[in-house]
Amino acid sequence: DTAVSQTPKYLVTQMGNDKSIKCEQNLGHDTMYWYKQDSKKFLKIMFSYNNKELIINETVPNRFSPKSPDKAHLNLHINSLELGDSAVYFCASSQAGLGRGQETQYFGPGTRLLVL
Amino acid sequence: AQKVTQAQTEISVVEKEDVTLDCVYETRDTTYYLFWYKQPPSGELVFLIRRNSFDEQNEISGRYSWNFQKSTSSFNFTITASQVVDSAVYFCALSEDDNYGQNFVFGPGTRLSVLP
Repeated sequence: DTAVSQTPKYLVTQMGNDKSIKCEQNLGHDTMYWYKQDSKKFLKIMFSYNNKELIINETVPNRFSPKSPDKAHLNLHINSLELGDSAVYFCASSQAGLGRGQETQYFGPGTRLLVL
Repeated sequence: AQKVTQAQTEISVVEKEDVTLDCVYETRDTTYYLFWYKQPPSGELVFLIRRNSFDEQNEISGRYSWNFQKSTSSFNFTITASQVVDSAVYFCALSEDDNYGQNFVFGPGTRLSVLP
């Protein structure tokens, strides 16, 4: 059983399109995250949700909108895709029941987005 | 602000050699947590270890060992008798003791190539 899953694994699309990436975790964790990994492998947090509530919203264009229908899911919707959005997007989750930084984050397999 | 430095961008070793990956961190918190993740060529992020700032005891897990030195703000990772399957990008990460892991910061990664 996959603990943190993402779909799709690969996404190739044209500039200007709108796309969504889905993330689900079956670990019973309270907190979920989206990270972006650029071509140089730098990993940077984008969003964090705790129990469906947005906690972190780093400096990310408002074309990116996370949506959490329940605490096991955190989807990422991207409007008007641009070339610079091409990257690998990772979903992660952690227990963070007490809201502490000590919790290990477990990552999904990543979604490779290519914008043409 | 917290920061993680992995000065070695790429390392190549021959199988069976020992190799140490360096990680130096900066934080103003007295309570913090350090992590190592492995990203093999397949792209997923695999959790390896978590240490808290109050536990400086070194840890060994099979061929992997970690040396945590608060005095030098380092959390180095050694692979003994390296194998080709160890080839991956290794990330060191730091999380401060705050809410929901929002300060979970990754280093830039070290790409390790183990040659047969």
